[in-house]
Amino acid sequence: EVQLVQSGAEVKKPGESLRISCKASGYSFITYWIGWVRQMPGKGLECMGIVYPGDSTTRYSPSFQGQVTISADTSINTAYLQWTSLKASDTAMYYCASLGVEVTDAFDFWGQGTMITVSS
Amino acid sequence: QSALTQPPSASGSPGQSVTISCTGTSSDVGYYKYVSWYQQHPGKAPKLLIYDVSKRPSGVPDRFSGSTSGNTASLTVSGLQAEDEADYYCSSYAGSYSYVFGTGTKVTVL
Repeated sequence: EVQLVQSGAEVKKPGESLRISCKASGYSFITYWIGWVRQMPGKGLECMGIVYPGDSTTRYSPSFQGQVTISADTSINTAYLQWTSLKASDTAMYYCASLGVEVTDAFDFWGQGTMITVSS
Repeated sequence: QSALTQPPSASGSPGQSVTISCTGTSSDVGYYKYVSWYQQHPGKAPKLLIYDVSKRPSGVPDRFSGSTSGNTASLTVSGLQAEDEADYYCSSYAGSYSYVFGTGTKVTVL
């Protein structure tokens, strides 16, 4: 059974750094892209970027390029989303999702989400 | 890379059908046949309903169907049920390993 289990909710202050995680199981982690999706409070879904764990290739959506870092550790089947200096506008729910494990070119399995609150 | 355009809301009575549109451009929906649809209930993670424009993953009822015409994709929910009340998002591959989501549609079952 494919599962993506994300790290827990975080409350941070502006300017702080943060890394959240997404642990995959039930499929070959190195073989499929995995993405991060942002959902701001009461708003829609936005694809932030994707990473190919097999060779750590990353692709960022233009709005998120330079704002976050996406990575993966194949030794523990875990993908990461990282900020070096959080802003209040980063407050959102963040989901990881696998791309094309059982279907083509769609986010077919999703993590439960990690809520990030940035407030002074 | 702009979000795909969906109507903010749609509604129907139980047993009726509702169709949601998703308008993109000739660089995404109109070019690649990689349109997908997601259902999201409040407080839950999105769930894949349709991929490759019209294919259903295993376990998704055939009440959900998808299609495209030009730069617009559509999701039809037939035989509306109470549990279909949710937010629905389209998504399209947009080239260069990029994906764009739609603005989302809230479906209400009257």
